[in-house]
Amino acid sequence: GENVEQHPSTLSVQEGDSAVIKCTYSDSASNYFPWYKQELGKRPQLIIDIRSNVGEKKDQRIAVTLNKTAKHFSLHITETQPEDSAVYFCAATPHMRFGAGTRLTVKP
Amino acid sequence: KAGVTQTPRYLIKTRGQQVTLSCSPISGHRSVSWYQQTPGQGLQFLFEYFSETQRNKGNFPGRFSGRQFSNSRSEMNVSTLELGDSALYLCASSLGTTDTQYFGPGTRLTVL
Repeated sequence: GENVEQHPSTLSVQEGDSAVIKCTYSDSASNYFPWYKQELGKRPQLIIDIRSNVGEKKDQRIAVTLNKTAKHFSLHITETQPEDSAVYFCAATPHMRFGAGTRLTVKP
Repeated sequence: KAGVTQTPRYLIKTRGQQVTLSCSPISGHRSVSWYQQTPGQGLQFLFEYFSETQRNKGNFPGRFSGRQFSNSRSEMNVSTLELGDSALYLCASSLGTTDTQYFGPGTRLTVL
């Protein structure tokens, strides 16, 4: 199958703490893993992505790690801020499949 | 470059009617995918088009259909609308089927 499972479904952290969201995929052919952030009433926006030839990628406070052997990848947000509050979706190719989403709340 | 656009942005229909939604991809993008998003739900994949051909289809009834034109613009149609079809319908375009997808603003469909 081509399922993508995402955990947790909701995550609440204090401002300044780190947040980690994990996804697992089942298709061995998957080679591209984007993460999207969707704020209330807005469209999903790409925040970071990683390809299968890389184990980790970082962009300021956001990083993504990939474990191809275990077929899972994770989003790490450090020094969280209230504006990080949103729903985050992971996805995996081929035939881009999305996880169910994680609602992140950062409490000031 | 202009982003992905969708029309109309809002739509109200009654049960039994049909509706057509339109998506214009980013210039140069040949792949368009459609998703249904309901409150509290994730992005449910409807179908994907590339170069006017449906490449993949999600688990939706035959009332949901789509097509893509030679200029890569895409339409999706829902016939015999049901209350449960009320949702935000998002389209996303990409260069190819395994490239980054960029989303449009969505069409919010309400079925009364």
